[in-house]
Amino acid sequence: TQLLEQSPQFLSIQEGENLTVYCNSSSVFSSLQWYRQEPGEGPVLLVTVVTGGEVKKLKRLTFQFGDARKDSSLHITAAQPGDTGLYLCAGDGNAGNMLTFGGGTRLMVKP
Amino acid sequence: DAGITQSPRHKVTETGTPVTLRCHQTENHRYMYWYRQDPGHGLRLIHYSYGVKDTDKGEVSDGYSVSRSKTEDFLLTLESATSSQTSVYFCAVLRGAYGYTFGSGTRLTVV
Repeated sequence: TQLLEQSPQFLSIQEGENLTVYCNSSSVFSSLQWYRQEPGEGPVLLVTVVTGGEVKKLKRLTFQFGDARKDSSLHITAAQPGDTGLYLCAGDGNAGNMLTFGGGTRLMVKP
Repeated sequence: DAGITQSPRHKVTETGTPVTLRCHQTENHRYMYWYRQDPGHGLRLIHYSYGVKDTDKGEVSDGYSVSRSKTEDFLLTLESATSSQTSVYFCAVLRGAYGYTFGSGTRLTVV
């Protein structure tokens, strides 16, 4: 079984601060995805990283895939209250196109 | 979005009763998935389907069965509901390069 560990589990910060969320595994993934989930809704895909060492930017969000394709990070610059939500990483091991999810990081950004 | 509809959105049922949750998609995607989401466990795969009448077990399949008689519908059945199956259930489809799209979820309470 492939496991993904996310840290931290909870994060409460002030508007304007920077933060990083980590997603680690001992397994290699063919790709890794980041999702954001709001209360009462399903996760929504933010980005997919495929190549080891890949960096993708989505406005104030920067996603990085580790060189060995076992870990990933999400960095948010100048967080805003609208960034509040549950962030989930998910790895695709390519076994039947199945995603393995991390436990999630619940982010609260206070105005 | 992939036009995913889950029904019902909320359900309360008694222990020992059968329950069926429905996932309907409108874009003919081949792969469909059922996940459950619980605090501290993230999203865990129950069953998935890779085509009509082609299904397989996920990580937490005990107590659940699925059926896919048409491309657009993927049904999840709890044969005899237990309190441990109280959870939020999400259906997802794989949209190729666009990644996974999730429905809005079904909140099931077994009393």
